[in-house]
Amino acid sequence: DGGITQSPKYLFRKEGQNVTLSCEQNLNHDAMYWYRQDPGQGLRLIYYSQIVNDFQKGDIAEGYSVSREKKESFPLTVTSAQKNPTAFYLCASSKDREVTEAFFGQGTRLTVV
Amino acid sequence: RKEVEQDPGPFNVPEGATVAFNCTYSNSASQSFFWYRQDCRKEPKLLMSVYSSGNEDGRFTAQLNRASQYISLLIRDSKLSDSATYLCVVNILYSSASKIIFGSGTRLSIRP
Repeated sequence: DGGITQSPKYLFRKEGQNVTLSCEQNLNHDAMYWYRQDPGQGLRLIYYSQIVNDFQKGDIAEGYSVSREKKESFPLTVTSAQKNPTAFYLCASSKDREVTEAFFGQGTRLTVV
Repeated sequence: RKEVEQDPGPFNVPEGATVAFNCTYSNSASQSFFWYRQDCRKEPKLLMSVYSSGNEDGRFTAQLNRASQYISLLIRDSKLSDSATYLCVVNILYSSASKIIFGSGTRLSIRP
């Protein structure tokens, strides 16, 4: 089945540690996105990428980093510089920059203690 | 000013009622528009795309007014299963990339 896979579903880390969230898609989509959602809030854009080896900062990129070495993969690293990393992280993809219906993974709930 | 603004609600309506949600967007480069539904602690899922001519899918009707930069969603004959958060989504097209921006969502609760 085609889709987007995020792993793990739940992740616990100690404060000060970097952590990388995985996002893989087999939909052959060009565009991929990372969002953060806090309780009772909407989705805020962290980073997005239209093609391999290229990505742009979203509205809340500080404290995060990404890479896009392969079309299928768009991992997100939450660094120790992110002041409040505990949140629900959602990865999405869309076919290209013009066909923008977005499909989501099931999300990763990150808790930093 | 937020790029996409929605009334957060919550809307609490009886089963069978008609409910309408509104959304405004600020960037005139916005090209595509959608409504997504998100259930508690789940990922958002596409409900419907929104076109200038308006579109209908069963009990759901979406409208776009580009001149006023305004999007709406109407739910008729609401069911208990319609209880969720409804997210207004806008795609802003730039020369080399596009950004998909979500509103903060409107919570809907249908009571028996």
